[in-house]
Amino acid sequence: ETGVTQSPTHLIKTRGQQVTLRCSSQSGHNTVSWYQQALGQGPQFIFQYYREEENGRGNFPPRFSGLQFPNYSSELNVNALELDDSALYLCASSLAGRDGYTFGSGTRLTVV
Amino acid sequence: GQQLNQSPQSMFIQEGEDVSMNCTSSSIFNTWLWYKQDPGEGPVLLIALYKAGELTSNGRLTAQFGITRKDSFLNISASIPSDVGIYFCAGQMNRDDKIIFGKGTRLHILP
Repeated sequence: ETGVTQSPTHLIKTRGQQVTLRCSSQSGHNTVSWYQQALGQGPQFIFQYYREEENGRGNFPPRFSGLQFPNYSSELNVNALELDDSALYLCASSLAGRDGYTFGSGTRLTVV
Repeated sequence: GQQLNQSPQSMFIQEGEDVSMNCTSSSIFNTWLWYKQDPGEGPVLLIALYKAGELTSNGRLTAQFGITRKDSFLNISASIPSDVGIYFCAGQMNRDDKIIFGKGTRLHILP
């Protein structure tokens, strides 16, 4: 079975720009969660998607938005980028009702 | 909001030594998780704990779910070079809920 894959692996953007990050969930998983990990910190929950709808959100502003597609893959969009958005963005997939999240290797976003 | 306090922040040990790290929470969790993260990778689950008082092992790793449901510890016995990395404790209220992470313990092994 394939694991969680994220793209791109690294990205540099300018403050004020918009960015889209992508995630393919592990085979058989139907739920996707996104986390932001700032340098030296633990991952922070952004939101979770199930059946193409957001079903949980952390303390992040509305300029962080997402999508889940029928094949369970997902996108994270961030508008009006700020310097503090520089972080490792992690995607995790799971099967609803079952234990166990699988994390991808992340996208390293640098905002300059 | 829920916070996890993980200690120590970093550890420097000799190869072969045992390691102990712990995590406390301001609120209860129904699941405690321990992850390891290597540079350039996402967190990988080491041990999951689902019941207060539960003691679970995975090879040289042993973790316990505190009886109050507000704490957990992880022990690593006979450390080896590949144990180097960042260890995160994490809590979850219910299956499918968000995972709350601690700030991590950085483990360094001295040559």
